[in-house]
Amino acid sequence: AQSVTQLDSQVPVFEEAPVELRCNYSSSVSVYLFWYVQYPNQGLQLLLKYLSGSTLVKGINGFEAEFNKSQTSFHLRKPSVHISDTAEYFCASSYTGRRALTFGSGTRLQVQP
Amino acid sequence: NAGVTQTPKFQVLKTGQSMTLQCAQDMNHEYMSWYRQDPGMGLRLIHYSVGAGITDQGEVPNGYNVSRSTTEDFPLRLLSAAPSQTSVYFCASFVRKVDTEAFFGQGTRLTVV
Repeated sequence: AQSVTQLDSQVPVFEEAPVELRCNYSSSVSVYLFWYVQYPNQGLQLLLKYLSGSTLVKGINGFEAEFNKSQTSFHLRKPSVHISDTAEYFCASSYTGRRALTFGSGTRLQVQP
Repeated sequence: NAGVTQTPKFQVLKTGQSMTLQCAQDMNHEYMSWYRQDPGMGLRLIHYSVGAGITDQGEVPNGYNVSRSTTEDFPLRLLSAAPSQTSVYFCASFVRKVDTEAFFGQGTRLTVV
């Protein structure tokens, strides 16, 4: 069975500082990995995804993530955050033949001025 | 282009009442899913469908029914509401494969008193 663990429930950071949101996954098969963002009172929006190939994935709004198979991780990074990045971020996984996503518990990013 | 539309946005039910959460998508997506979002637990899969007439259970199906008579619509029925079903419910749709982006509705915030 798949599982996704997000290691931090909340990450406070100052504006223009770098940030890393951590995600670990478990899967016995080739995995697809995603990061979604949820702004207050909104649905989820895809930030980026890893399917195969290059382990460094670039997404929207300056975010990137690195797939690390040996550490079963898919951490999300941004070199300089803005107030507008304040949101909840979800890591999710799936695999070929599965009909839905498995989500982590979410990390609330709070960007302070 | 509406995407995924959920109605209602907010609902308060009394224990034991029944209701249907509506979800419609206009992207001709085959896969549709219902998730519930609870604090600290991320999104958990309730039911999903891979096409008209085909549905299956997810992680937390008890107390919920679904049907898929058309490609566009995937309603979620609460048979006899319980306080434990107080949550935010999201509908998502995918193109055929789950390695593509999931599109989410804006959510329905349900309170059962």
